[in-house]
Parts: sequence; structure tokens; C-alpha cells
Amino acid sequence: SQQGEEDPQALSIQEGENATMNCSYKTSINNLQWYRQNSGRGLVHLILIRSNEREKHSGRLRVTLDTSKKSSSLLITASRAADTASYFCATLGNTPLVFGKGTRLSVIA
Amino acid sequence: ETGVTQSPTHLIKTRGQQVTLRCSSQSGHNTVSWYQQALGQGPQFIFQYYREEENGRGNFPPRFSGLQFPNYSSELNVNALELDDSALYLCASSPSGTSGFRGTQYFGPGTRLLVL
Repeated sequence: SQQGEEDPQALSIQEGENATMNCSYKTSINNLQWYRQNSGRGLVHLILIRSNEREKHSGRLRVTLDTSKKSSSLLITASRAADTASYFCATLGNTPLVFGKGTRLSVIA
Repeated sequence: ETGVTQSPTHLIKTRGQQVTLRCSSQSGHNTVSWYQQALGQGPQFIFQYYREEENGRGNFPPRFSGLQFPNYSSELNVNALELDDSALYLCASSPSGTSGFRGTQYFGPGTRLLVL
């Protein structure tokens, strides 16, 4: 079963705009991770945020975590065509990574 | 590039056959996990190996089995293939079994299996 649920399922934006994706989960976690997947290939780790952290930055990425609401958001600023991919949140608790179904992001040049 | 390699890249089998998929972990990583990703879905955890022993298993039947070798490379074996086994199979390595459940995993490019 999948714990994380990303929202929206699909997102289409213009190059240069910001993209925001949300993730909700059900049980307590140790950390939450975001991954990117291009065209059904391997996943690339983007960022990890621990349960005692509220916000984390990495380059153009900003992740927030609200454990009281069991939700996280991923913000990609100044998007580029190369950001076109599927984005997955994955939660880690007492079990290995549990992935959501992903958000399909399309960045139009 | 993560340094994790998988072979083959694509595979076509018929129902009832057996398949072996291979994974070579990133250098220095002693933990490997396998995932199944059906079309349009997120990856589903199959099992994890740490120092050649199974170290956790997801909700998959026993016909899904694995091996990890002393050089930390790994195999996923699936017996009696079913049509629903058609998917992208991903392996991921991480540095330590104790932190493997808690840290970053490095994914290979996957093997796309089609069962006819």
C-alpha cells in the first residue's frame, strides 16, 4: 500500500514559474524524502527532511514538513524545461521507504 | 549517475516463466533494496538485503526471492510469472543496513519487464 499521496497528480507550468507539489501521509515518520524520475527511469534523490525539521533548502528546491498535519510540500523555483519529470514523496518510519503515486510536472519552454 | 547498475534494461517473458534480474550496488554500499513500479504508480518495496541476508520484506508472495553476494551485488528472482508482474523493477543501494532504512537510497535505472 502507498502511504504518501501527492497532489496534484499532474502540473503544467511555463518555464521560469514556480512549481509546488504537496504530499500527505498517514502514519508517524522518521523522515520524508523527495525523488525525481525522468520518463520511467531510475529515481534520483532530491532532498531528505527529518521529522524534527520544518523546512529545508537545496538550490532551487524548498521542502517544508508539517508533522501535525502529516503533510509536506516541495517548491521548485524558477523552473526549467529540464525539471519536467515525475516527483515522488517517500516516507520512512519503522518500515522501508513508502512512495506515493507521484506528481507529473511538465515545464513548457 | 548513482553508480548503481542493473541488467538487463528490458526483458520480455511469457506467463509461467522464471526471470532473474541483476543489480550492482554503488561502491561501498552493503545494503540493497528492490522495488516494483507498475505503470503510473509509485515504487513498491519488495525486500531489502544487508550483508547477504534478507532484512525486510514488503507485501510480495514467496515467488519473489532474492540473493545478495559477498561483493554486494544482488539478484531478484521471480518464479511463475504472471501478467501483473509486468513493471519496472528498481534496485537501490545504501551505505549501511542499520541506516539503510533511514537514509538516502541510490537507485539504478531499472529493468523493464513485460510478461505476455
